[in-house]
Amino acid sequence: AQSVAQPEDQVNVAEGNPLTVKCTYSVSGNPYLFWYVQYPNRGLQFLLKYITGDNLVKGSYGFEAEFNKSQTSFHLKKPSALVSDSALYFCAVRDITGGFKTIFGAGTRLFVKA
Amino acid sequence: EADIYQTPRYLVIGTGKKITLECSQTMGHDKMYWYQQDPGMELHLIHYSYGVNSTEKGDLSSESTVSRIRTEHFPLTLESARPSHTSQYLCASMNVVPGQGFTYNEQFFGPGTRLTVL
Repeated sequence: AQSVAQPEDQVNVAEGNPLTVKCTYSVSGNPYLFWYVQYPNRGLQFLLKYITGDNLVKGSYGFEAEFNKSQTSFHLKKPSALVSDSALYFCAVRDITGGFKTIFGAGTRLFVKA
Repeated sequence: EADIYQTPRYLVIGTGKKITLECSQTMGHDKMYWYQQDPGMELHLIHYSYGVNSTEKGDLSSESTVSRIRTEHFPLTLESARPSHTSQYLCASMNVVPGQGFTYNEQFFGPGTRLTVL
């Protein structure tokens, strides 16, 4: 069965420092992985995805994610955090077993302190 | 501008009322979804649709029902609201390119409806 785990409920980082939000996955077959961000009282916004190709994927707002097949991880990264990056981040995996469904992680809350 | 809309954004109602949460998208997407999310928590899929006249129940049992009579419209109805239905409801859609399948595409989310049942 497809699943995704976000081991940290919350990540705290100072503005200007690099940030990492962790995600690990379990899939049968090739992984199709996504990151979304949710700001307060809003829906989710797509950040980036890994389908195939380069292990380093670049996305919106300066975010990037590193796909690591041996560690089954897809960590979200940003070289220099902004206060405005404070939000809830969801890792997700496409459920290829059918139903056009996406399986979301529990979410990680990122706090960036000025 | 292509987008996905949800109305109302906020709704406070009394127990036993019938309500319909509206979701519309202007992108012509076939696949649409309803998620339930307690504030700041994980998403739970409650309904989805492959296209017109197609609806399926999701992973989380829900007392709500959905319909898909038009591609752009995917309303969710609660026949008799209860306090346990208090939550945020997110609608989403996804494009499927003919011949390419669905695997690669991201979902587009509406802003959500925050429902409070007293």
